[in-house]
Amino acid sequence: GAGVSQTPSNKVTEKGKYVELRCDPISGHTALYWYRQSLGQGPEFLIYFQGTGAADDSGLPNDRFFAVRPEGSVSTLKIQRTERGDSAVYLCASSLLGGYRMMNTEAFFGQGTRLTVV
Amino acid sequence: AQRVTQPEKLLSVFKGAPVELKCNYSYSGSPELFWYVQYSRQRLQLLLRHISRESIKGFTADLNKGETSFHLKKPFAQEEDSAMYYCALTGANNLFFGTGTRLTVIP
Repeated sequence: GAGVSQTPSNKVTEKGKYVELRCDPISGHTALYWYRQSLGQGPEFLIYFQGTGAADDSGLPNDRFFAVRPEGSVSTLKIQRTERGDSAVYLCASSLLGGYRMMNTEAFFGQGTRLTVV
Repeated sequence: AQRVTQPEKLLSVFKGAPVELKCNYSYSGSPELFWYVQYSRQRLQLLLRHISRESIKGFTADLNKGETSFHLKKPFAQEEDSAMYYCALTGANNLFFGTGTRLTVIP
């Protein structure tokens, strides 16, 4: 596709429910990143995939959060037992290269999914 | 631990005035520094990166390792520069962002 695509663009869910957020990266990009952005804050790193594997998941806040990228392309961020504090914009980004080589490449961001937990 | 600090949440300047958005960082190794920008209703996008030594839309940023700073500068601000600006660094595995500065250029 032309860019990184995230679906849905908006999601409202009830506290305690399970949600899945989808990211379609730019074709051929090996690296994929998930970020969370709360109001008035910068993007907060959650997890980084290199290919199919999670190379760094140190930003996941707790075990309610999980992400997969089974075929090295589309990724899904899964949140169990949602809490009101999970409300934020979830951003996905992809880049041609990843890890330390990010210095030589550019991360392209999706438009984000706005998650509201009521 | 890595840290990016943008001390100003809001910055307003008049059109044609110089602008400087401050960024300080801490990182144990040798990071690469970036500036990302988000215009109204658009997605976050790369503005410039230190390694390229480039000037984009009249903006430049100089890495000062002694002061651990990477301030973004433009000599003459334009109305279309109004946006949210994020300083970011990359170390090992991720792109780490500051909290951002909202720049408003007053006509």
